[in-house]
Amino acid sequence: GQSLEQPSEVTAVEGAIVQINCTYQTSGFYGLSWYQQHDGGAPTFLSYNALDGLEETGRFSSFLSRSDSYGYLLLQELQMKDSASYFCAVRDQAAGNKLTFGGGTRVLVKP
Amino acid sequence: GAVVSQHPSWVICKSGTSVKIECRSLDFQATTMFWYRQFPKQSLMLMATSNEGSKATYEQGVEKDKFLINHASLTLSTLTVTSAHPEDSSFYICSAGSGTGGGETQYFGPGTRLLVL
Repeated sequence: GQSLEQPSEVTAVEGAIVQINCTYQTSGFYGLSWYQQHDGGAPTFLSYNALDGLEETGRFSSFLSRSDSYGYLLLQELQMKDSASYFCAVRDQAAGNKLTFGGGTRVLVKP
Repeated sequence: GAVVSQHPSWVICKSGTSVKIECRSLDFQATTMFWYRQFPKQSLMLMATSNEGSKATYEQGVEKDKFLINHASLTLSTLTVTSAHPEDSSFYICSAGSGTGGGETQYFGPGTRLLVL
């Protein structure tokens, strides 16, 4: 089966940088995705890493190390609207196209 | 990005009734759609994988006779919660994959909040 670990909660101030780590165990890794979910809303896709390295998209970046079964999401120049839950998810080749989600990290941005 | 819609967004029903939720991929064809359930402050739990033209694949612990899934076309999958009970109250979210192979990304619908009284 697959399992993912990520911190449950992070608090930071506006303008700060937050790194959300995600470690995973899976039998046939295919890629690591990150999703953002605001309270009451559905998850929205942020990034996908299939290869080692850093992918940058505006203020958000995602990193993957396949050898360490580890990735992170980096949120820079935090804004109040970034307060949300962030989920890492893995696609497992052995499980077809299914995504398995981590427990989610709740990010609270304070003024 | 790809657009996935869900209808209805809110449902309130009496215990014992059945509720149908529709999931549509609006600008792409999806041979596979996924149904998730999310309880407050918890992660998304995959319920089943919906395959166009064939039977759905249910996750362990999900009753297939209670949660009926139909994927009649490449753009529509439906989830019917039969004989709903208060414990079925939850946020139901569908997703559809866009792209092929390792680059596939799942896009989520806006979700359906079900409240069973």
